[in-house]
Amino acid sequence: EAGVTQFPSHSVIEKGQTVTLRCDPISGHDNLYWYRRVMGKEIKFLLHFVKESKQDESGMPNNRFLAERTGGTYSTLKVQPAELEDSGVYFCASSQGTGGAYGYTFGSGTRLTVV
Amino acid sequence: AQSVTQLGSHVSVSEGALVLLRCNYSSSVPPYLFWYVQYPNQGLQLLLKYTSAATLVKGINGFEAEFKKSETSFHLTKPSAHMSDAAEYFCAVRSGNTPLVFGKGTRLSVIA
Repeated sequence: EAGVTQFPSHSVIEKGQTVTLRCDPISGHDNLYWYRRVMGKEIKFLLHFVKESKQDESGMPNNRFLAERTGGTYSTLKVQPAELEDSGVYFCASSQGTGGAYGYTFGSGTRLTVV
Repeated sequence: AQSVTQLGSHVSVSEGALVLLRCNYSSSVPPYLFWYVQYPNQGLQLLLKYTSAATLVKGINGFEAEFKKSETSFHLTKPSAHMSDAAEYFCAVRSGNTPLVFGKGTRLSVIA
């Protein structure tokens, strides 16, 4: 089966610009997660979708970040306007179920650099 | 709240030597524990997971981890390191339906 696909793999933008990251989960996986790793720090949870609904968005840093998952398939994460501290690697993951025993399958990540 | 502590941000071993990466967790309810690996320029790959069955869990590439409730630990081991094991390793915990919580990661270097 195809894995989790993220696009683009790298993005360099200027402060104040807008960037949209995309994630295609494994087909049939209702659960989709976004995580972020800022340089030198741990991987932090951003939010969780179940199908098209936001189950948990407690990790979203501020209202410059907007995540959507229209139709319960792929998801986008928009940063508008981008700030320098938004630089990092953004990971997407999907899982079949929400139970604790389910591991996540991660994508390769999008490395975002804001200059 | 759950948390994970990985002791040592960087571990260096000789090729053929034992690999031991330490992970201690904190959870108020029975946890599910995971080890992920990230090779250079790649995503996170699941190595193994503990889901309350056997306390000794075997994973891919010869790695294994033992869940010790009394010590709140889930250390990752491999008897003999290969050059290809050089990567960053992440311990993670979750319980119930909560999202995965990661440790800060341990970078493993393997010296020829």
